[in-house]
Amino acid sequence: QVQLVESGGGVVQPGGSLRLSCAAAGFTFSGYGMHWVRQAPGKGLEWVAATAYDGIKQFYADSVKGRFTISRDNSKKTLFLQMSSLRPEDTAVYFCAKGSRAVALDYWGQGTLVTVSS
Amino acid sequence: DIVMTQTPLSLSVTPGQPASISCKSSQSLLHSDGKTYLYWFVQKPGQSPQLLIYEVSTRFSGVPDRFSGTESGTDFTLKISRVEAEDVGVYYCMQSIQLPYTFGPGTKLEIK
Repeated sequence: QVQLVESGGGVVQPGGSLRLSCAAAGFTFSGYGMHWVRQAPGKGLEWVAATAYDGIKQFYADSVKGRFTISRDNSKKTLFLQMSSLRPEDTAVYFCAKGSRAVALDYWGQGTLVTVSS
Repeated sequence: DIVMTQTPLSLSVTPGQPASISCKSSQSLLHSDGKTYLYWFVQKPGQSPQLLIYEVSTRFSGVPDRFSGTESGTDFTLKISRVEAEDVGVYYCMQSIQLPYTFGPGTKLEIK
C-alpha cells in the first residue's frame, strides 16, 4: 500500500533553514507528481509547493516563493522541501502528498511539525 | 487565486441523520477537458487529511457510499446520507483546476 513518511521537522530560529524529507513506498514514485501542504496550529490547509514526476518543473505558493525549494530523488523515492529564511508564520505541520492530474492529493503522509521561534 | 468558501463552519448531527456541507468557488472549476476539479477531504482528529471525493462526485477507493457529492455551477455539496460516529472530523473542499490549489476553511462535524 502507499506509504509516505515525512521527517526533518523541528524547532528553528527565525531566519534559519530546515530540510524536510518524505520517503515514499508502495507505488511507482517516479510516475507521479508530489506536493507539500501545511497546516498551522489550529488552522486549515494551505498548499505550499509541487513538483512534476520528473522533477523538472516546480510550483510554489506566493507565501513561500523564493524561500522554499521543492525537489525529489527518484532513485531514492524521496521528496524534499528545503526551507530557508524561515518566519514565525511558517510554523505548521508539513504534509507530503502524492498527486496526479487525474487525482490530486490522493495519499498523504502523517506530517512533520516545523516550529519557527526564538 | 481561486477562493473557496464553505458553509456551515460547524455542524452537530445525530447518528443516523443526514448531513450536508456546501462549498462555493470564486471561479468555474470546469476544465476544457470536461472535468470539474473539485475535491472533498476529511481530517479526522489527530490524523492527516484523507481524500473522500474527487471530480465533484467520484468516491475515492474505500469511501462508503453514504458519502456523495453534487454540483450546481460553482456551488458544490457534500452529503452524508446517514452520519456515523466515525465521520467526526473537519471536512475541506479544494480546487485543483489551477495552481495554487486552494482549500475551503473547513467544516467541523460533531456527533450529538
